[in-house]
Amino acid sequence: DAKTTQPNSMESNEEEPVHLPCNHSTISGTDYIHWYRQLPSQGPEYVIHGLTSNVNNRMASLAIAEDRKSSTLILHRATLRDAAVYYCILRDRAGGTSYGKLTFGQGTILTVHP
Amino acid sequence: DSGVTQTPKHLITATGQRVTLRCSPRSGDLSVYWYQQSLDQGLQFLIQYYNGEERAKGNILERFSAQQFPDLHSELNLSSLELGDSALYFCASSPSGKGGPGEKLFFGSGTQLSVL
Repeated sequence: DAKTTQPNSMESNEEEPVHLPCNHSTISGTDYIHWYRQLPSQGPEYVIHGLTSNVNNRMASLAIAEDRKSSTLILHRATLRDAAVYYCILRDRAGGTSYGKLTFGQGTILTVHP
Repeated sequence: DSGVTQTPKHLITATGQRVTLRCSPRSGDLSVYWYQQSLDQGLQFLIQYYNGEERAKGNILERFSAQQFPDLHSELNLSSLELGDSALYFCASSPSGKGGPGEKLFFGSGTQLSVL
């Protein structure tokens, strides 16, 4: 699986936007960019995914660079409940030999201050 | 609530023992995945089953084994336990396990295993 690089930690204040970066310079043309997050004492949960275009859902927005070598997860108004570890993961569109599994890196620990 | 149920939530045992962790996937999901999370290794993929058959294997020790039953629930068996096996074990499920671009994994809340 292609590798992603994320900052170890970031901090934000409540109700402010948060931009979580992810570098994936070796991304292939068939890789989708997925984001999951893991709240304290819980299993990871899906946040958002995209291929080339920016994506929005009720949880967050995903901004993908034109060359696809980086992406940014945007939380528009951070809440205390958004404090979690955020994982940026590349997944091959065709599945291939990795099938459905996800390969997690170290992620970014997001701290949200009241 | 992800719809994935893991039991037990906590398990305390001694070195050399054997334990079984159980996972019930979301209704209709055919694939089950097992992950191990420790402080030093992060989230490590162990094994995937699809409709009763092993589909993919990760860093799973020979002392560990898993299976998926006809009703699609899965069990992870850990034997000859060592102190280093203490970790959080997560189960996840997905509809097909073919890894299509939009296919999401849904994780349970995990089983915390402590080997003393």
